[in-house]
Amino acid sequence: AQRVTQPEKLLSVFKGAPVELKCNYSYSGSPELFWYVQYSRQRLQLLLRHISRESIKGFTADLNKGETSFHLKKPFAQEEDSAMYYCALSPRGYQKVTFGTGTKLQVIP
Amino acid sequence: EAGVTQFPSHSVIEKGQTVTLRCDPISGHDNLYWYRRVMGKEIKFLLHFVKESKQDESGMPNNRFLAERTGGTYSTLKVQPAELEDSGVYFCASSQVTVVNTEAFFGQGTRLTVV
Repeated sequence: AQRVTQPEKLLSVFKGAPVELKCNYSYSGSPELFWYVQYSRQRLQLLLRHISRESIKGFTADLNKGETSFHLKKPFAQEEDSAMYYCALSPRGYQKVTFGTGTKLQVIP
Repeated sequence: EAGVTQFPSHSVIEKGQTVTLRCDPISGHDNLYWYRRVMGKEIKFLLHFVKESKQDESGMPNNRFLAERTGGTYSTLKVQPAELEDSGVYFCASSQVTVVNTEAFFGQGTRLTVV
């Protein structure tokens, strides 16, 4: 069975502070890992995926297969980063996505 | 280009009534997915259409839920009869069919409240 765990429901940081949103997963094969974001009053949207190895809006996420983690990081938080963040996985080659419970990031001015 | 649209945005119904949610995917997207987020819990997969065919409906909670996608365009999700535990936000997403994973685009969701 595939499972995504986000241990923090709420993460509050000050503007300019580093951010790390934790995500651990369990899956027997080689999954695709994603981070989705939902800003206030906007729809859920893809932030980044591990296969792209890209940085979006200053965020990066490294897949650690040994620790089965895919933590989302940003060195300096901005107020506009405040949103709900969902870690997600899907089997490689198939787009059925399993989501974590989400972490609300609150950036304090 | 229009994104994924869902109707209605909110629905409040009484227990035992029927509700039909609609999703219009992005034009040309053959993949269509339904998800649900019940209060305080994770977003859960319900089912997946490829064009008009149900590819995977393993997430459908019970036979009170019926999803259709006649003609492979828009999709409907009907709940009949609705129960209190059906309350939540229902999301639809669509994507193109390719050999590798591509981005799924989400609708704004329908908030269903069963009272």
